[in-house]
Amino acid sequence: QQQVKQSPQSLIVQKGGIPIINCAYENTAFDYFPWYQQFPGKGPALLIAIRPDVSEKKEGRFTISFNKSAKQFSLHIMDSQPGDSATYFCAASISGNTGKLIFGQGTTLQVKP
Amino acid sequence: DTAVSQTPKYLVTQMGNDKSIKCEQNLGHDTMYWYKQDSKKFLKIMFSYNNKELIINETVPNRFSPKSPDKAHLNLHINSLELGDSAVYFCASSQRTSGGARNEQFFGPGTRLTVL
Repeated sequence: QQQVKQSPQSLIVQKGGIPIINCAYENTAFDYFPWYQQFPGKGPALLIAIRPDVSEKKEGRFTISFNKSAKQFSLHIMDSQPGDSATYFCAASISGNTGKLIFGQGTTLQVKP
Repeated sequence: DTAVSQTPKYLVTQMGNDKSIKCEQNLGHDTMYWYKQDSKKFLKIMFSYNNKELIINETVPNRFSPKSPDKAHLNLHINSLELGDSAVYFCASSQRTSGGARNEQFFGPGTRLTVL
C-alpha cells in the first residue's frame, strides 16, 4: 500500500513532443504528490507538486494531471526540449507526518533534437 | 551558496571498512533525511531527523547509524561495509510548516559509495 508505481521506465521523444509519465498509488492517505527531476550526477530537484483537491496544475511547460478516483497522476511536458532530458520521479507523501516521500521507480526521458 | 552539501562526493573503499558521509544544510530547515539510490536509480528513504530527534528509521541494517549533532547537520556512519552498500546516498532537508507539513525537500548532490 505504500508503493507508487511509475511508467514508462524510459521514454524517447522528438524535440517539441509531449512526453507523458504516469504514476499510480494505493494509499488514499497520501495528500501531496511531487515530481522531481534528476540530471546525471546531481541530486533530485523539485519540479512541480499537486494536492488532491485540484485536478490539474501547470507551471511553465510542466503540467500535472491528477485523478483522485483512479488514484493516478501524470506529468506532461509541453514543447519538450533536449535540455529536458533527465530522469523524472513521481512521489507521494502524507502531509503533517514525517515528510517521508515514497518515490516511483523513475522514468528516463531523452528528447532528441 | 550551496543549500545542501555532502562530503565526500565519491567514496571508494574495501569491504569491511567503516566510513562516514557528512551533510550540511544552510536553509535553516528543521528536518533532514538520508535516501539511498540504487543502481536502478530507485530512491528509498533511510532515516530522518527533526531538530536532532530521529523521526524516520526505515528497515535498514544496524550497520548504518545516523547522527545529528545539530539541526543543520546529519551524518551517516556505516560499519563493516558490504558490496551491497554500493549506491548513491542523498541527503535532503525540509522545513515543517505551521500546518505541520514537511513537503518540499531539497536534495544534496549525492555521495557515490563504491565498496570493492
